[in-house]
Amino acid sequence: DTAVSQTPKYLVTQMGNDKSIKCEQNLGHDTMYWYKQDSKKFLKIMFSYNNKELIINETVPNRFSPKSPDKAHLNLHINSLELGDSAVYFCASSQGGQGYQETQYFGPGTRLLVL
Amino acid sequence: GQQLNQSPQSMFIQEGEDVSMNCTSSSIFNTWLWYKQDPGEGPVLLIALYKAGELTSNGRLTAQFGITRKDSFLNISASIPSDVGIYFCAGLALGGGGADGLTFGKGTHLIIQP
Repeated sequence: DTAVSQTPKYLVTQMGNDKSIKCEQNLGHDTMYWYKQDSKKFLKIMFSYNNKELIINETVPNRFSPKSPDKAHLNLHINSLELGDSAVYFCASSQGGQGYQETQYFGPGTRLLVL
Repeated sequence: GQQLNQSPQSMFIQEGEDVSMNCTSSSIFNTWLWYKQDPGEGPVLLIALYKAGELTSNGRLTAQFGITRKDSFLNISASIPSDVGIYFCAGLALGGGGADGLTFGKGTHLIIQP
């Protein structure tokens, strides 16, 4: 069974559209994250949620809005897509709340291409 | 913000050679993680380090958490073709709550010539 899963794996869309990426983890973790990987493979945190509550919101345009219906799911909605949003988006999860020995596990990624 | 300097940026080696890569930081981390990313996949955790000075092995991989908490290295012994990929170090400076994002290095691209 896949521990952290994301859908879709590939997303090609026109500039200006609104799209969502879904993430689910079956590890029983309390914390979930969204990372963005650019064309140079650099990974950067975007958001983290702990037990459905937003903890981190890095300097991400407010066109990006995470939504957590329950602690096993963290979806990413993107409004008015721009060319620069093209990247690979990774969901991750960790046990969270422990303050020590945290390890994050990543999903397979969603490759977003904005045309 | 925090930055991790990972080196080398890329390595071209012969099969069977040993590999060494490292990460340094200007700030202290409480956790160091090493990941490998294959093309089209997400990062897969290789080794997790939680204590300064800790030396941990996972098969042919060995990683150490630097005593100053500002650096870590990863060694791969007797490389094989499936070791090809991008290796990332990542640091976590826990501020409480355990929900902090990882700070990643820029990756080491490992290429193995048969």
